[in-house]
Amino acid sequence: SQTIHQWPATLVQPVGSPLSLECTVEGTSNPNLYWYRQAAGRGLQLLFYSVGIGQISSEVPQNLSASRPQDRQFILSSKKLLLSDSGFYLCAWSPGSTDTQYFGPGTRLTVL
Amino acid sequence: RKEVEQDPGPFNVPEGATVAFNCTYSNSASQSFFWYRQDCRKEPKLLMSVYSSGNEDGRFTAQLNRASQYISLLIRDSKLSDSATYLCAVNFNSGGYQKVTFGTGTKLQVIP
Repeated sequence: SQTIHQWPATLVQPVGSPLSLECTVEGTSNPNLYWYRQAAGRGLQLLFYSVGIGQISSEVPQNLSASRPQDRQFILSSKKLLLSDSGFYLCAWSPGSTDTQYFGPGTRLTVL
Repeated sequence: RKEVEQDPGPFNVPEGATVAFNCTYSNSASQSFFWYRQDCRKEPKLLMSVYSSGNEDGRFTAQLNRASQYISLLIRDSKLSDSATYLCAVNFNSGGYQKVTFGTGTKLQVIP
């Protein structure tokens, strides 16, 4: 069966510090991968999606970036965090673009 | 008009009650529809896909109304454990790529 992992589970970072969140999927090949952010009391905002290694599409201009160095690895990064980057970051995968998306456990980021 | 809209609630219902949520979508060409459940501070989890003819899973019934462009979720015999936020998700064609967009969720509180 397929599983999706995210780490760390929680993170507290100062403003201006870098960020690296990692997501890995097991038990499937060539998944579509997604990064979402959910601010407190808000909906899911799609940040990036990827249909293959090295293929990244950005949904919202911001100071975040994403990379997919391996088929089942998706990384979210920032060089300098802002207060507004605080939120619940969720990685998801799907077999195809219109298929069900399955979410990882998420990383709760607080920027102080 | 938002791509996907939900009444944020909260819906406060007594145990054993029947409750229904609607989710409207703007793109008449949408093809895939889903309901997710999200517990507080947890990741969304798929509750059920929504099929054109409607589908049922135990106490949960999902329906699609293409003419009026909405999907619905009916929960019968509500349990305390049903308390959560329910997100709808709808696929869209954006720039030649099919993407799933999530609603902001409807909060359900089942009261003893």
